[in-house]
Amino acid sequence: SQTIHQWPATLVQPVGSPLSLECTVEGTSNPNLYWYRQAAGRGLQLLFYSVGIGQISSEVPQNLSASRPQDRQFILSSKKLLLSDSGFYLCAWSVTGLLYGYTFGSGTRLTVV
Amino acid sequence: DAKTTQPPSMDCAEGRAANLPCNHSTISGNEYVYWYRQIHSQGPQYIIHGLKNNETNEMASLIITEDRKSSTLILPHATLRDTAVYYCIVRVEANQAGTALIFGKGTTLSVSS
Repeated sequence: SQTIHQWPATLVQPVGSPLSLECTVEGTSNPNLYWYRQAAGRGLQLLFYSVGIGQISSEVPQNLSASRPQDRQFILSSKKLLLSDSGFYLCAWSVTGLLYGYTFGSGTRLTVV
Repeated sequence: DAKTTQPPSMDCAEGRAANLPCNHSTISGNEYVYWYRQIHSQGPQYIIHGLKNNETNEMASLIITEDRKSSTLILPHATLRDTAVYYCIVRVEANQAGTALIFGKGTTLSVSS
């Protein structure tokens, strides 16, 4: 069966520090991968999606970047965190982009202080 | 993509049916209606989707009007664990790059005993 792992679950980082959140999927090949963010009291915002290794599409220009070094690995990064980067970050995967059956990870709650 | 309109919040008594409406008056012929829900501090969970016929699965039923301009998600016997934000999303079912789930504000369903 397919599983998605996301870590860490919670993270407190100072302003200006770097960020690296990792997401891995098991049990499937060539998944579409996504990063979403949910700021406090707001809806889910699509940040990045990837249809293959090294292929990243950015939905919103911001202080973040994403990389996909392996087929089932998706990394969200920042060189210098801002207070506005605080939020709940969710990784998801789907079978070749089909919109039903998105599977989300358990999320990382990031607090920038 | 067609815009959706959902009430911001609804209440339901435990054991009763929860009927969550969604308006999508600008839906086009090849757009599907998807429903996801997000329990607090978790990733969204797929519920059901449909094109024009009514659909039912183990979680819920989806009723789409004949003109497809609105739909209703029905949880037949709501439990406390159904308390969540419910998202109605209208998108083309496209197995290609450039398509991703975009979440609106959804309806917060509160089930009480």
